[in-house]
Amino acid sequence: NAGVTQTPKFQVLKTGQSMTLQCAQDMNHEYMSWYRQDPGMGLRLIHYSVGAGITDQGEVPNGYNVSRSTTEDFPLRLLSAAPSQTSVYFCASTSGGSVTEAFFGQGTRLTVV
Amino acid sequence: GESVGLHLPTLSVQEGDNSIINCAYSNSASDYFIWYKQESGKGPQFIIDIRSNMDKRQGQRVTVLLNKTVKHLSLQIAATQPGDSAVYFCAASVGTYKYIFGTGTRLKVLA
Repeated sequence: NAGVTQTPKFQVLKTGQSMTLQCAQDMNHEYMSWYRQDPGMGLRLIHYSVGAGITDQGEVPNGYNVSRSTTEDFPLRLLSAAPSQTSVYFCASTSGGSVTEAFFGQGTRLTVV
Repeated sequence: GESVGLHLPTLSVQEGDNSIINCAYSNSASDYFIWYKQESGKGPQFIIDIRSNMDKRQGQRVTVLLNKTVKHLSLQIAATQPGDSAVYFCAASVGTYKYIFGTGTRLKVLA
């Protein structure tokens, strides 16, 4: 029972590079989301999806793209990495039967130099 | 704007004592409140939630109290154990599936 799986766990990028953070869940949850966690700040919502083919912006969407072609996968793309995107990124999924009990992945620690 | 804040960045308690972690929120329209636990190097883990029409909710060794008058939320952990050492943060709903998260209180359990 894997839950929410994020890859990679660690990544170092150079400014201007692009990459995709992977997120997969095996719980058949409709709702998935991406957050970033920075020191001294609470989790901030980047993008979310309420089902396959449906995505929307959260609080801090600039510089990130998402797509949801399947229920299981919700990748986050960094288009042109900037040092301000250095952060820990968490993916989460929530069942449609609960609006509160989110299951989080282990996180991806991204450093942009 | 909307905010969620925790009162103390760090809380140290003796093993076996009760812990109380406090949180304040600003949005009086928030309908759901959640407490999460985050251990070092891991993702947040759901502990307990409470809806705005409730004052108290109990789980296994945890109790959440909600005071809507002063927009205050607390998490009580009974008989604190070493495994409870973690960062705890609260979240308040600002829409369906959308939450504002607090910054976290680090709970240290002293042997």
